[in-house]
Amino acid sequence: EAQVTQNPRYLITVTGKKLTVTCSQNMNHEYMSWYRQDPGLGLRQIYYSMNVEVTDKGDVPEGYKVSRKEKRNFPLILESPSPNQTSLYFCASSLFSETDYEKLFFGSGTQLSVL
Amino acid sequence: RKEVEQDPGPFNVPEGATVAFNCTYSNSASQSFFWYRQDCRKEPKLLMSVYSSGNEDGRFTAQLNRASQYISLLIRDSKLSDSATYLCVVNPFTGTASKLTFGTGTRLQVTL
Repeated sequence: EAQVTQNPRYLITVTGKKLTVTCSQNMNHEYMSWYRQDPGLGLRQIYYSMNVEVTDKGDVPEGYKVSRKEKRNFPLILESPSPNQTSLYFCASSLFSETDYEKLFFGSGTQLSVL
Repeated sequence: RKEVEQDPGPFNVPEGATVAFNCTYSNSASQSFFWYRQDCRKEPKLLMSVYSSGNEDGRFTAQLNRASQYISLLIRDSKLSDSATYLCVVNPFTGTASKLTFGTGTRLQVTL
């Protein structure tokens, strides 16, 4: 089944404790991105990747890191989480084709709480 | 002014009703437009693209008005299963998904 898999689904942590949210897609998509969703603010892009070893900042990159060593994986790293990073996070991917590049497939989300 | 604006709702409608949502965008050079559906706390899923000439997919009709810079979504014969939040998405560029801009969504509640 074609999908974007995020783990974990829920995560509660404490301020300053490094964490990684994994994202993997099995559709051979070139493009991958991370969003956070907060009430009243909608989905905001954190980082995106056009292909392996190519990453760039989105609208809210502060406090986050990413890497794209393999095409299928795009982990999101919080080196020192803070309470203002409590949010619902989504990973998304799309195929780099003339007609499909804008059609995002999302993972099921990670609800992160930083205490 | 926000780049993409939507009425947050909720729109409470009885089953079988017709309901319409609008979404306005600020960048007149925006290239492409979409509606995504998001169930509570779940991932957004693409509902439909919005084409200049308007397009229909079953009970759903999407329209674009470039002159007034808005897109609309019309749902006919509403079902209970249509209850969700509908996200308007605008792309100011062609050739990349990296600048997709999401509205905050309009919540629809269909009741018996």
